[in-house]
Amino acid sequence: NAGVTQTPKFQVLKTGQSMTLQCAQDMNHEYMSWYRQDPGMGLRLIHYSVGAGITDQGEVPNGYNVSRSTTEDFPLRLLSAAPSQTSVYFCASSSDRTNEKLFFGSGTQLSVL
Amino acid sequence: KQEVTQIPAALSVPEGENLVLNCSFTDSAIYNLQWFRQDPGKGLTSLLLIQSSQREQTSGRLNASLDKSSGRSTLYIAASQPGDSATYLCAVWTGANSKLTFGKGITLSVRP
Repeated sequence: NAGVTQTPKFQVLKTGQSMTLQCAQDMNHEYMSWYRQDPGMGLRLIHYSVGAGITDQGEVPNGYNVSRSTTEDFPLRLLSAAPSQTSVYFCASSSDRTNEKLFFGSGTQLSVL
Repeated sequence: KQEVTQIPAALSVPEGENLVLNCSFTDSAIYNLQWFRQDPGKGLTSLLLIQSSQREQTSGRLNASLDKSSGRSTLYIAASQPGDSATYLCAVWTGANSKLTFGKGITLSVRP
């Protein structure tokens, strides 16, 4: 059982470049979310989705876009990378966000130069 | 706005000691509280989930309690082992938009 799969694991970008972080889950979870983790700041919610076709902003959405065309996939797009977006990004999913455990992917370490 | 606090930020104990990790939150209107473990360079693993109507949950050597009215939770680890060394984070689901708010974690080191 793969769980939550994130790709790539590491990425280096130049300022202004765009890229997509991939997230896929095979547990048929309706709820999916993206977090970034920064030293001293903890985990902060970027965007989340409660089902295919439904997305909403989290705490720090600026500079990021998401879409949810299928239950399985929830990609995160960086439109024009900035050094402030250097971070570790985690995707997480749950079958019921208020009643069930949250499952995390292994993360993507992103550096923007 | 919900705030979750975990103090201290780091803890070092000898192997075999029973220990308690604390978590406090400011808004008692929560749906549930989860304790997570994070190993260096890895994602988070949910250890225990306590619903707002529950007082505690147990899994092996781990026991988590919840006192919603006082805004506190504790994670009790019995007979600690070096393999328990990791960062432990608590998180609460709060509010109409059901936002999950994380504490910054406690980095635990268990010395052999």
